[in-house]
Amino acid sequence: DTGVSQNPRHKITKRGQNVTFRCDPISEHNRLYWYRQTLGQGPEFLTYFQNEAQLEKSRLLSDRFSAERPKGSFSTLEIQRTEQGDSAMYLCASSAAGGPYEQFFGPGTRLTVL
Amino acid sequence: GDSVTQMEGPVTLSEEAFLTINCTYTATGYPSLFWYVQYPGEGLQLLLKATKADDKGSNKGFEATYRKETTSFHLEKGSVQVSDSAVYFCALSVSGGYNKLIFGAGTRLAVHP
Repeated sequence: DTGVSQNPRHKITKRGQNVTFRCDPISEHNRLYWYRQTLGQGPEFLTYFQNEAQLEKSRLLSDRFSAERPKGSFSTLEIQRTEQGDSAMYLCASSAAGGPYEQFFGPGTRLTVL
Repeated sequence: GDSVTQMEGPVTLSEEAFLTINCTYTATGYPSLFWYVQYPGEGLQLLLKATKADDKGSNKGFEATYRKETTSFHLEKGSVQVSDSAVYFCALSVSGGYNKLIFGAGTRLAVHP
């Protein structure tokens, strides 16, 4: 396992469509985080999983967003009825239990909503 | 709420110049502090960290000291190289918040030969 992977790397969609992103964390990491990064800004926290449990969600995560981590392995982030304001880089990170251990980031999925 | 403020970029330097990127923070608890770097076309990588006051984090010639009295964590390097050109992010995490990271806006560094 060489690191955190994310798919797809790029996604272009039309407003109103649904999109789903996948994150595969480092295999032994039980903590998984999603962040969103817009141009010229630092990443902003969206949600956190410890194993399969979603323990924290940011107010940035509107009702159109849902995240899952079945079986505590990979995670998916779905955006329903996309809006142009959803255009951003979506980053996934994982870390080992305890802390503050280093969070290892994936390459991100760049979403463009037309 | 918790937040991080870092100096705006871009910072443009000649090779072998001294680098300082300022970072200050606001936190209700006792945060751990981080510098992450994003090289062109690559993902975020941890550069260095410090977990308590007066700790100094260091890596690849970069250093930063956790200053509780000034709530600062400035990044320094004595002699930058062209390969250091990247975007640098200061971040904090508070243990009571599942260690989620709160980032500054980032500072772009461009080093010219």
